[in-house]
Amino acid sequence: QPVLTQSSSASASLGSSVKLTCTLSSGHSSYIIAWHQQQPGKAPRYLMKVEDSGSYNKRSGVPDRFSGSSSGADRYLTISNLQSEDEADYYCETWDSNTRVFGGGTKLTVL
Amino acid sequence: EVQLLESGGGLVQPGGSLRLSCAASGFTFSSYGMGWVRQAPGKGLEWVSSISGSAGSTFYADSVKGRFTISRDNSKNTLYLQLNSLTAEDTAVYSCARLVVATGTDYWGQGTLVTVSS
Repeated sequence: QPVLTQSSSASASLGSSVKLTCTLSSGHSSYIIAWHQQQPGKAPRYLMKVEDSGSYNKRSGVPDRFSGSSSGADRYLTISNLQSEDEADYYCETWDSNTRVFGGGTKLTVL
Repeated sequence: EVQLLESGGGLVQPGGSLRLSCAASGFTFSSYGMGWVRQAPGKGLEWVSSISGSAGSTFYADSVKGRFTISRDNSKNTLYLQLNSLTAEDTAVYSCARLVVATGTDYWGQGTLVTVSS
């Protein structure tokens, strides 16, 4: 089954950009992933899916500041013009025929 | 508007049982796979179990296989998770989630806390 690897933490300044990475395990580089945001004390919220082609599809209501991309086994979530409300945990998710997998999450701090 | 509302959590002794429910509204429940995800205090997300829209297929994480049972009642728009033989490692917030085949989890409930302690 696939395994997803994320850095445990990231930080960037208010108004700057940050690129979070989710890496798929060997043999699973073609998998679609989903990005989820979990603000402190809240339930996770689905942001977008990212395909191996680099195309991404955001849910309605997600600000334009959020975008996705891909390179090989890496899937990215880029947040531009960082706002204080973007400080959250970000999880990637993938799945196959009989299992679902989450990455360990990246805690994003907005300085 | 899609809404998922969990209930049934609480304090249970090791070895005990609990049944969680998730009431769904705002979409055609039987058309979607559904799942349960848990989050231990201060930890990340862990997939627990999934079920197809027709309930014909069920899947479990190795950590809960043989102890937990997922089910659904499409006439009541409700998802269930039966938790048996609970241990302290099962202490977590349990959230239900709507699943889309090529998108992943697209909606989450707020979760219900299960605490396993003597």
